[in-house]
Amino acid sequence: EAQVTQNPRYLITVTGKKLTVTCSQNMNHEYMSWYRQDPGLGLRQIYYSMNVEVTDKGDVPEGYKVSRKEKRNFPLILESPSPNQTSLYFCASSLLAQGGYGYTFGSGTRLTVV
Amino acid sequence: RKEVEQDPGPFNVPEGATVAFNCTYSNSASQSFFWYRQDCRKEPKLLMSVYSSGNEDGRFTAQLNRASQYISLLIRDSKLSDSATYLCVVNQGGYNKLIFGAGTRLAVHP
Repeated sequence: EAQVTQNPRYLITVTGKKLTVTCSQNMNHEYMSWYRQDPGLGLRQIYYSMNVEVTDKGDVPEGYKVSRKEKRNFPLILESPSPNQTSLYFCASSLLAQGGYGYTFGSGTRLTVV
Repeated sequence: RKEVEQDPGPFNVPEGATVAFNCTYSNSASQSFFWYRQDCRKEPKLLMSVYSSGNEDGRFTAQLNRASQYISLLIRDSKLSDSATYLCVVNQGGYNKLIFGAGTRLAVHP
């Protein structure tokens, strides 16, 4: 089944404890992206990747890191999480990096930082 | 000004009603347009793309007005299962970055 898989689905952590949210897609998609969703603000892009080893900042990159060593994987790293990073996170992928292609989203990760 | 603006709702309608959602976007260079559906606490899913000539998919009709920078979604004969948040989405061209509106919530009641 074609899908984007995120893990974990739920995570509660403490301030400052490094964590990684994994994202993997099995569709050979070129483009991958991370979004966070907060009430009233909608989905905001954190980082994106146009291909292996090509990543760039989105609109809200502060406090996050990413890597794209393989085409299928695009992990999101929070080196020192803070309470303002409590949010619902979505990984998304798209066939190509250029042009107006729709995204396929992962099921989301609900992160709480206390 | 937000790049994509939607009425947050909620729209409360009875089954069988026709409901319309509107959306405006600020960047006149925007090239691709979509409507996504998001159920509570779940991932957004592509409902339909929006084409310049307008397009229909069953009970759903999408319209685009480039001159007014305005997108609409019409749902006819509403079902209980249509209850969700509808996201207006715009691609501004260049690389495939989608800009999402904050969503319009629809509640269909018996």
